Amino acid sequence: DGGITQSPKYLFRKEGQNVTLSCEQNLNHDAMYWYRQDPGQGLRLIYYSQIVNDFQKGDIAEGYSVSREKKESFPLTVTSAQKNPTAFYLCASSSTGLNGYTFGSGTRLTVV
Amino acid sequence: SQQGEEDPQALSIQEGENATMNCSYKTSINNLQWYRQNSGRGLVHLILIRSNEREKHSGRLRVTLDTSKKSSSLLITASRAADTASYFCATGPSSGGYNKLIFGAGTRLAVHP
Repeated sequence: DGGITQSPKYLFRKEGQNVTLSCEQNLNHDAMYWYRQDPGQGLRLIYYSQIVNDFQKGDIAEGYSVSREKKESFPLTVTSAQKNPTAFYLCASSSTGLNGYTFGSGTRLTVV
Repeated sequence: SQQGEEDPQALSIQEGENATMNCSYKTSINNLQWYRQNSGRGLVHLILIRSNEREKHSGRLRVTLDTSKKSSSLLITASRAADTASYFCATGPSSGGYNKLIFGAGTRLAVHP
């Protein structure tokens, strides 16, 4: 079945530690996106990538980094510079043209 | 920046009733989409309406778009307990390129048996 897989489902980070969230899709979608969702709020765009080896900052990129070395993969690193990383992180992908997004099931990151 | 604002923030109804959620946005758009999110899960795409369309149906869902008022509504008819979820509108930019969506804060719908 085609889809988008995020791992891990739950992640705990210590203060000052970098962590990487995985996002893999087998839908052959060109574009991939990372969103952050805080409790009771909407989604805010962190980074997006329209093509391999290229990505752009979204509205809240500070303290985050990404890479897009393969079409299928778009990992997100939450660095120690992100002061309030506790949130629900959602990865999505889309094909060219006017289409909806396919979302992963999310990673819940907690700072301990 | 959040483009869309849903109204109401929360809605509580009985099974069988209709549920109407509204979305307002600020700038010109190419398309508007509605998504559903069950608690703690990812979003699921429900319906897409283009800026030159006024109404669209999908099963028990009916979406309207009024570009002059910069608003959209999602109607769920004959609601079921399984419709309990948060519903988000998302707008796509009017300029070209990939459809980079901006999401609103969502409406939390509770359908009681």
